[in-house]
Amino acid sequence: SQTIHQWPATLVQPVGSPLSLECTVEGTSNPNLYWYRQAAGRGLQLLFYSVGIGQISSEVPQNLSASRPQDRQFILSSKKLLLSDSGFYLCAWSALSEAFFGQGTRLTVV
Amino acid sequence: QKEVEQDPGPLSVPEGAIVSLNCTYSNSAFQYFMWYRQYSRKGPELLMYTYSSGNKEDGRFTAQVDKSSKYISLFIRDSQPSDSATYLCAMGYGQNFVFGPGTRLSVLP
Repeated sequence: SQTIHQWPATLVQPVGSPLSLECTVEGTSNPNLYWYRQAAGRGLQLLFYSVGIGQISSEVPQNLSASRPQDRQFILSSKKLLLSDSGFYLCAWSALSEAFFGQGTRLTVV
Repeated sequence: QKEVEQDPGPLSVPEGAIVSLNCTYSNSAFQYFMWYRQYSRKGPELLMYTYSSGNKEDGRFTAQVDKSSKYISLFIRDSQPSDSATYLCAMGYGQNFVFGPGTRLSVLP
């Protein structure tokens, strides 16, 4: 069966520091991969999605970037975090129609 | 008009009640419809998905889709305190997904 791993679960980082969140999927090949940010009461905001290695589409211009160095690995990065980057970040994968989510990373920028 | 709108909640019901959660949408391109359950500080968990209008049942959960009216519903029978969570509706076409903002449900023992 397919599983998705996302880490870390929580992270507290100072303003201006770099960020790297990692997501890996097991049990499937060539998944579509997604990074979302979830704000309270505002639903899921799509940040990036990828249909293959090295193929990244950005939905919202901001202080973040994404990379897909391997088929089942998706990384969310920032060179310098802002206070406004705080939030709950979710990685997801899909093959046909349904999307499956990781457990999320709660990022607090202080 | 937002692409997907969902009853805002929060919703509080007694244990054993029937719960109805609803979403409406505006994009006729949506081909599949999903409901997710999200516990606090956790990722959303897929509960139900369907491609067609009509009802789909899974245990105490029933997903209903009416494409002509562009609304979907999730019914929970015999609700339990463990059903207390935020419920997200989602719709998609191709590899595109749109999520509702969620309805927070509390089932009181």
